[in-house]
Amino acid sequence: GAVVSQHPSRVICKSGTSVKIECRSLDFQATTMFWYRQFPKQSLMLMATSNEGSKATYEQGVEKDKFLINHASLTLSTLTVTSAHPEDSSFYICSAPQAGGPGTQYFGPGTRLLVL
Amino acid sequence: EDKVVQSPLSLVVHEGDTVTLNCSYEVTNFRSLLWYKQEKKAPTFLFMLTSSGIEKKSGRLSSILDKKELFSILNITATQTGDSAVYLCAVENTNAGKSTFGDGTTLTVKP
Repeated sequence: GAVVSQHPSRVICKSGTSVKIECRSLDFQATTMFWYRQFPKQSLMLMATSNEGSKATYEQGVEKDKFLINHASLTLSTLTVTSAHPEDSSFYICSAPQAGGPGTQYFGPGTRLLVL
Repeated sequence: EDKVVQSPLSLVVHEGDTVTLNCSYEVTNFRSLLWYKQEKKAPTFLFMLTSSGIEKKSGRLSSILDKKELFSILNITATQTGDSAVYLCAVENTNAGKSTFGDGTTLTVKP
C-alpha cells in the first residue's frame, strides 16, 4: 500500500524556537496533503490543507503565520511551527490522498512535539 | 459545519465479546465515510464506505453505512486484546477531500 513518512518522529525544543516537520509520500504523488493536530485523548483536528504549487488553506482558528506550510513538490509538504510555545505541544499528523486514487487518505506516523 | 459523533466514547469488554461502535454524521457534501484504528501512533485505515447497505468485511471486523439515516456501525466479533485501541470515524467531504473526525471510541478488551 501507499506509504507516507514523517520526520522527525519526536522533537523536544525550547520555547521560542521553530520546528520543521516534513511529510513525504514515498511511492505516489500527492497534490494535496493534510495536516492534523491531536491533543491527548482527543481526536484529530484538521489544521490546514497543503496544496502543491499554491498557498495552503487554513482551518478557522489556525494561525497561518504560526504554522507555516510549504508544499514544495508532489511528494513533500513541510509544516513549520514558528516560535513554539508549550501550548503547541501536540501530536502532528500529515496525510495524503493518493492522486487519482479512491479517496483514501494515507497517514504518516506522526510527530510528537514537546515544547519546554 | 461538518460534524461526526461517535458513541460510546469508551467501552470495556472481555475477550470473545462482540462490540458495535456507532458513528453518526452531518456533512454538506458527502464523499465517503472511513473507519480507522489508532493505537499509539497515527491511524491505520480499516474501511471506506460510500454506498448504503453494502457491508464491508475484513476478518472479524465489518462495517455498514446508512446514508438515509446518516450513520455507520463498526462491528468486531470475537474480540481479542489486540483490538484494544481508539476507533475513529471520519467523513470525507467532496470539497477538496477534507475529512472531519469524530472523537473516537476507546475500546479496551480485557483477557
